[in-house]
Amino acid sequence: EDKVVQSPLSLVVHEGDTVTLNCSYEVTNFRSLLWYKQEKKAPTFLFMLTSSGIEKKSGRLSSILDKKELFSILNITATQTGDSAVYLCAVAQYNNNDMRFGAGTRLTVKP
Amino acid sequence: DAGVIQSPRHEVTEMGQEVTLRCKPISGHDYLFWYRQTMMRGLELLIYFNNNVPIDDSGMPEDRFSAKMPNASFSTLKIQPSEPRDSAVYFCASSLWQGDNYGYTFGSGTRLTVV
Repeated sequence: EDKVVQSPLSLVVHEGDTVTLNCSYEVTNFRSLLWYKQEKKAPTFLFMLTSSGIEKKSGRLSSILDKKELFSILNITATQTGDSAVYLCAVAQYNNNDMRFGAGTRLTVKP
Repeated sequence: DAGVIQSPRHEVTEMGQEVTLRCKPISGHDYLFWYRQTMMRGLELLIYFNNNVPIDDSGMPEDRFSAKMPNASFSTLKIQPSEPRDSAVYFCASSLWQGDNYGYTFGSGTRLTVV
């Protein structure tokens, strides 16, 4: 059965800390892996990863994919309270146009 | 572009009533998705359309749920009759795949409470 597993489920850190969020997957016909940030409302797109070993960066956020070991990590450096959110990992497959979501990691950044 | 537009933002209704949620996708996007999000089950796909045609509705929980997309710029998700366990946030998303360089765009969601 296809699945996407995120860890940890929740994480509490202090401002300035660096965090690493994990996403492992087992899906058929893997196409791409996507990271989303969800605050109070709709998830917002962060990254799409399709190739192994190529890091994508946006400010303090970065992500990388390992297609051999079937996982991705999302790093956030120098965390700020505004980073507090649920971070969702999703995997897209070639045989359909849907994405399978993980349960998310709830990150809380304390002042 | 205004993004994916959903309405209403909040809906409170009594058990047994009909509820209709609305979505306007981004112009030019050829896929439209309806999701439901709850604390217990996370984000679940209900149904998706390609070029206005329903492709996969296996996530629709029961016959009480139905979705339509009469044209490229409008979709509805209807629950009739509604039940308290339908209370959730319902998201609509649209996408246009061009190679591997696209993700989804989500609407702001409709928070449904059935009392």
